Amino acid sequence: QVHLVESGGGVVQPGGSLRLSCAASGFTFNNYGMHWVRQAPGKGLEWVAFIRFDGRDEYYRDSVRGRFTISRDSSKSTLYLQMNSLSPGDTALYYCAKDRGNSNWNYLTNWGQGTLVTVSS
Amino acid sequence: DIQMTQSPSSLSASAGDSVTITCRASQNIDNYLNWYQQSPGKAPKLLIFAASRLQSGVPLRFSGSGSGTDFTLTVSNLQPEDFATYYCQQTYSAPLTFGGGTRVEI
Repeated sequence: QVHLVESGGGVVQPGGSLRLSCAASGFTFNNYGMHWVRQAPGKGLEWVAFIRFDGRDEYYRDSVRGRFTISRDSSKSTLYLQMNSLSPGDTALYYCAKDRGNSNWNYLTNWGQGTLVTVSS
Repeated sequence: DIQMTQSPSSLSASAGDSVTITCRASQNIDNYLNWYQQSPGKAPKLLIFAASRLQSGVPLRFSGSGSGTDFTLTVSNLQPEDFATYYCQQTYSAPLTFGGGTRVEI
């Protein structure tokens, strides 16, 4: 049974940094691409970033490119999102999600419960 | 970026009804279209992938169709647990984009 557990959220001042983690279990982590998706309070879903199964390619939405870095540690079956230069517009519930396959993205088959990031002074 | 436009943004229905949600892409996306259901306070759940393929475990009352730019999600025989928000998503090209969502009120 696939299980994804996000952590690392919290309250941070504008300009600050946070690192989110997503602990994965119930599947062979090394074989699947992974995503981060966020949802601002009361708003819709917004894709943030994707990393290939082997970590060789990363993709970002324009608004976070250069500030956020997605990475993965196969030895720990953990996905990360390093977030720098945070602004209030980054306030959201951040979900990690497992992709269907090991190529570039397909569809998001499993989601965690999310971790809340609040950027406020 | 490919824009995804869903309609309606919300709808009201009764148990047993059928409802149809539409999703339009700003350019051709072939069949790279997925549908997700998000119940209040819950994480999204994959319903349909590749426009019309039902995810394992999803009830047969959910169906999807379309190709190119126009897609639909139909929920037949609405059940109380179908009260949720539904999102389409294109995975044709990055950035992957979602529609604005359709809230279904029972």
